[in-house]
Amino acid sequence: EDQVTQSPEALRLQEGESSSLNCSYTVSGLRGLFWYRQDPGKGPEFLFTLYSAGEEKEKERLKATLTKKESFLHITAPKPEDSATYLCAVQATDDYKLSFGAGTTVTVRA
Amino acid sequence: DGGITQSPKYLFRKEGQNVTLSCEQNLNHDAMYWYRQDPGQGLRLIYYSQIVNDFQKGDIAEGYSVSREKKESFPLTVTSAQKNPTAFYLCAGGGVNTGELFFGEGSRLTVL
Repeated sequence: EDQVTQSPEALRLQEGESSSLNCSYTVSGLRGLFWYRQDPGKGPEFLFTLYSAGEEKEKERLKATLTKKESFLHITAPKPEDSATYLCAVQATDDYKLSFGAGTTVTVRA
Repeated sequence: DGGITQSPKYLFRKEGQNVTLSCEQNLNHDAMYWYRQDPGQGLRLIYYSQIVNDFQKGDIAEGYSVSREKKESFPLTVTSAQKNPTAFYLCAGGGVNTGELFFGEGSRLTVL
């Protein structure tokens, strides 16, 4: 069974204080790893897809990286508007369904 | 504006009642999905459909039913057989077998 574990559960940052979120996964064969952002009371918004170890994607202050066992979402010099829950999901080669982690809730204080 | 539209945003139900959550899309997505989100847990797949008039059970389909009579619409019925229906329900659309999904804003169901 595919498993996705995100850590930490919650992260409180000062504005400008860079940090990283972790997504560890167990899957028989990885088709893709996906990062989403979710604001309170809203649906998730797609951020990135990573397909193979060593791949990196960037969007504004966010950078996602992938190894064979985990993915990191790096937040550089965060702003209060980066406050959200960040979800990680994996898709296996033998099953197109997504397996989601529980998310990391990031709070950035001004 | 458009995308994935869910209604109602908030819904209260008495025990023993069925309730239907609406999901409409104008993005021409072939595939549509229903997820359930509970605090501290990842999204769990209830049902999905990759083509009109066909749908598949997800990981937690018991107590739920769906239909896909039109490409644009994928309603979810939460039946009285669902033992713990209070949750945040999310509808999504996307290409077939893709992990890049577009989500609606969700429907929060509370059983009184």
